[in-house]
Amino acid sequence: AQKVTQAQTEISVVEKEDVTLDCVYETRDTTYYLFWYKQPPSGELVFLIRRNSFDEQNEISGRYSWNFQKSTSSFNFTITASQVVDSAVYFCALSLSGYSTLTFGKGTMLLVSP
Amino acid sequence: EAGVTQSPTHLIKTRGQQATLRCSPISGHTSVYWYQQALGLGLQFLLWYDEGEERNRGNFPPRFSGRQFPNYSSELNVNALELEDSALYLCASSLRSAPAYNEQFFGPGTRLTVL
Repeated sequence: AQKVTQAQTEISVVEKEDVTLDCVYETRDTTYYLFWYKQPPSGELVFLIRRNSFDEQNEISGRYSWNFQKSTSSFNFTITASQVVDSAVYFCALSLSGYSTLTFGKGTMLLVSP
Repeated sequence: EAGVTQSPTHLIKTRGQQATLRCSPISGHTSVYWYQQALGLGLQFLLWYDEGEERNRGNFPPRFSGRQFPNYSSELNVNALELEDSALYLCASSLRSAPAYNEQFFGPGTRLTVL
């Protein structure tokens, strides 16, 4: 069975600090998909990124970047120069080829103070 | 384009009652997913419907059930409510059931409180 672990329950930073959210996954499948979602206080999950198991290129989108390393089964998420609006719960998730259901980690609550 | 909508926003029930939660997917999406987000348990997959049929089910008892209508909207029913059913229930939709890489778009959720 697949599993996603987000070891950091809560992270507090001051605005403009860089912060990395860790995600470690477990699966025996060779084809799988990894996701990051953001859940602001309003409750609605917002899709951030998807990465498939055959694409290990890192990705950068503005202040967000993702580091996918199959060797360590990790898919970490870095926010550069954090802002108060980044305060939210961030979830890492995994889905397997042929199944559309997402397995989520427990989430990391990020608190960015001014 | 309208996003995923859910109703009601909040629902308060007593133990033993039944709850019905509703979800309307994004136009053009045929797959609907239900997740439970209970305090301390994270997000857990409940049910997946596509083209009117139940495609997959998470590790929940049979008193959690649902259906998908011809217009692809969906209903989640929880019978014989228990206190531990109190949670935020999130609905998501995606463009089609496969492949698995299609991102799911989530609604704002229904907060169910069982007293």
